[in-house]
This record gives sequence, C-alpha cells and structure tokens, in this order.
Amino acid sequence: DAKTTQPTSMDCAEGRAANLPCNHSTISGNEYVYWYRQIHSQGPQYIIHGLKNNETNEMASLIITEDRKSSTLILPHATLRDTAVYYCIGPASGTYKYIFGTGTRLKVLA
Amino acid sequence: GAVVSQHPSWVICKSGTSVKIECRSLDFQATTMFWYRQFPKQSLMLMATSNEGSKATYEQGVEKDKFLINHASLTLSTLTVTSAHPEDSSFYICSARAQQETQYFGPGTRLLVL
Repeated sequence: DAKTTQPTSMDCAEGRAANLPCNHSTISGNEYVYWYRQIHSQGPQYIIHGLKNNETNEMASLIITEDRKSSTLILPHATLRDTAVYYCIGPASGTYKYIFGTGTRLKVLA
Repeated sequence: GAVVSQHPSWVICKSGTSVKIECRSLDFQATTMFWYRQFPKQSLMLMATSNEGSKATYEQGVEKDKFLINHASLTLSTLTVTSAHPEDSSFYICSARAQQETQYFGPGTRLLVL
C-alpha cells in the first residue's frame, strides 16, 4: 500500500501559488519524500525531494513539517502547463521501490 | 541530465504475438531499473525491479513468464510481453535509478493488443 495520502483533486487560478498537501505519517526518519507529476499520456516527471529541511529548486518548493508527518509542495506561480497529476511518494522501507498512491489532480484555471 | 528513453513509444500487435519494449538511461548508469504499468485513469503499478546482471524481482500477481525482463547492461533494460492478449493493453513505463533513491522515468510505451 502507498505510504502517502493526498487530496484527489484541486483547482488553482493561473498565476497564483498552488499548494499541494501530502500526509506521510508512516514514513520513517531516514526516508525521503519525493514529488513527481504526470502530464497526460507521459511518464512521471521528477520535481523535488526532501528529508527534513525545506527544499527549493527551479520548479517548486517543498515544505516538510518538523514531525515529518506531512509536507506541502508549492508551485509559486502556477501556469496552465502545470495542470497534471501530482504524486507524493515515500519509498517502501528498506528498498528503492516507489509505491504510487492516487495522487492529486491539479487543474490550473485561466 | 538524467534522461530515460523508451522505444517504441507506441505499438499495436495481434493477439498471441510478443512485444519487446526497450528502456535506456541516456546519460547515466542505472543501478536499478523498474517497470510499471498504468491503466486508464489509474495510478502507476510497479511490476518488477531489475538490477544489471541479475534476475528481475516481480511484484505479487505479476506473471514472470509472461513479462520477461532483461537488464543486460547498466543503461538498457527490456520488457517482453509474451503471447500478448487484449487485457495486456496498457501504458508501460520504465524508470532508472543511479546511486541515490531518485528514479527518472521514461516517456512510456502505449501497447494495444488487437
């Protein structure tokens, strides 16, 4: 079973920040949280990952709570091209396997 | 960097034939490669894990004799769907992992079995 839970869908206005939450209360202390997105009919695209500290790259920011039970992916200025399914993943313990949950379907509205 | 390719991008075949899908890591050596399957409006389901030079490890419920995986080099893994049937029609996606945990995904191969 997936180790993460996410809302099924979200809408965001173009140009606004999109905040996508993820609950990963069962993830252990040394396991990273990974975020990917999948645009229709394509393979998942890596966005960002983190362990304890907040992370930022050219695509997004990742805010991880101090207790590591949840995190939020932030797309600072959403565009129509950010419409996709966003997956938050915690690898299966002791392996490198990803178990995908249902993800969040983000729709960016003009 | 971290580009993964798949070939072909789509394939149509007759029932009973076999289809081979290639997955290549173009700019890094992949310690491990993974194969996933995705049905319409569903999430990705892991089928198997393969390490270079060793036998693949299949997830529960995945028939290893039907989905043959070969990982002959650090940059190439192949998935062969043997004796394909219409229910095997799906979107097949591979990913590759280097030294760390991050996986990089290929663009996927859409298989349609008639």
